[in-house]
Amino acid sequence: AQSVTQPDIHITVSEGASLELRCNYSYGATPYLFWYVQSPGQGLQLLLKYFSGDTLVQGIKGFEAEFKRSQSSFNLRKPSVHWSDAAEYFCAVGPSGAGSYQLTFGKGTKLSVIP
Amino acid sequence: GAGVSQSPSNKVTEKGKDVELRCDPISGHTALYWYRQSLGQGLEFLIYFQGNSAPDKSGLPSDRFSAERTGGSVSTLTIQRTQQEDSAVYLCASSLGKGSGSPLHFGNGTRLTVT
Repeated sequence: AQSVTQPDIHITVSEGASLELRCNYSYGATPYLFWYVQSPGQGLQLLLKYFSGDTLVQGIKGFEAEFKRSQSSFNLRKPSVHWSDAAEYFCAVGPSGAGSYQLTFGKGTKLSVIP
Repeated sequence: GAGVSQSPSNKVTEKGKDVELRCDPISGHTALYWYRQSLGQGLEFLIYFQGNSAPDKSGLPSDRFSAERTGGSVSTLTIQRTQQEDSAVYLCASSLGKGSGSPLHFGNGTRLTVT
């Protein structure tokens, strides 16, 4: 069974500082990997996704993530955090087989930004 | 264009009552998902609809939960004889195609509180 672990429940960073949110997954093959962001009272919005190819993927809002097969990780990074990045971030893994559709989400990391 | 719309945004109900939650997916999206988001628990898959195929109900936690999708568009999630443990945010998502490679578009959710 696939699973996703986000080790950090809550992270606080200062505005302008760099950010790295950790995500580890368990899956038997190369999965599809996603990062979603959820602002308070909102649904989830897709930040970026990895399917195959280049292991460093760029997303919206200046975010990027790197797929490391050897570490089963897909960490999210941003060089300089803005106050508007305060939100909850979810890593998700999905099977890459045709017709497979069920995503497994991590429990989320809440990001607070200090002005 | 219009995103995924969910109603009501908030619902308070008494234990034992039935509730109906509605989801209007993005027009043309054939896949529709319901998830439950409990505090600190990430997203729990409930049910998946794809076109005219039989839905995957494997995530429904009990027979008090049911869902339907009429005309391949609007979906209703019904919870009968609500219990306090049903209190959560219920998120609906739709996607354009089959497979987990098709990104999900989420609604803002319905926050259900059972008193």
